[in-house]
Amino acid sequence: AQSVTQPDIHITVSEGASLELRCNYSYGATPYLFWYVQSPGQGLQLLLKYFSGDTLVQGIKGFEAEFKRSQSSFNLRKPSVHWSDAAEYFCAVGKNTGNQFYFGTGTSLTVIP
Amino acid sequence: DAGITQSPRYKITETGRQVTLMCHQTWSHSYMFWYRQDLGHGLRLIYYSAAADITDKGEVPDGYVVSRSKTENFPLTLESATRSQTSVYFCASSDRSYGDEKLFFGSGTQLSVL
Repeated sequence: AQSVTQPDIHITVSEGASLELRCNYSYGATPYLFWYVQSPGQGLQLLLKYFSGDTLVQGIKGFEAEFKRSQSSFNLRKPSVHWSDAAEYFCAVGKNTGNQFYFGTGTSLTVIP
Repeated sequence: DAGITQSPRYKITETGRQVTLMCHQTWSHSYMFWYRQDLGHGLRLIYYSAAADITDKGEVPDGYVVSRSKTENFPLTLESATRSQTSVYFCASSDRSYGDEKLFFGSGTQLSVL
């Protein structure tokens, strides 16, 4: 069975500091991996995705993520956090048939001035 | 406007009542999904649909019914609402184009069952 683990429920960082959100997955085949962001009261928006190829993927809003097969991880990073990045972040894995996506429990990010 | 819309945005109902949450998308995406979001559980898949008249269960389908008579609509019905179904419900759609499979989400329906 496939699953996604986000070990950090909540993270607080200072504005301008670097950020890394952790994601580990369990999936038998080559996964499709995603990071979504959810602002308060809103639906989820795709930040970036990995299907194949270069293991370092760039997304919107200055985010990037690195796929590490040996660690079954897909951590999200940003070199300098902005106050507007405060939100809930979800890691997800998708079957390669594209018909099911499984989400982690999310990491809530607080940005302090 | 094009996109995926959910209605109502907020709903309060009583236990035992039937409730239908609506979802409409204008992209003609083949896949549509219903998720519920609960604290500590993230998003859990309730039902999904690969095309009109094709639906299948997700992780937590009990107590829910879906239909998809038209590609653009995917309503979710709680036949007899229970308090445990208090949640935020998100509808999503996906295009099966290889290499661009991602979910587009609606803004959600916040449902309270009293």
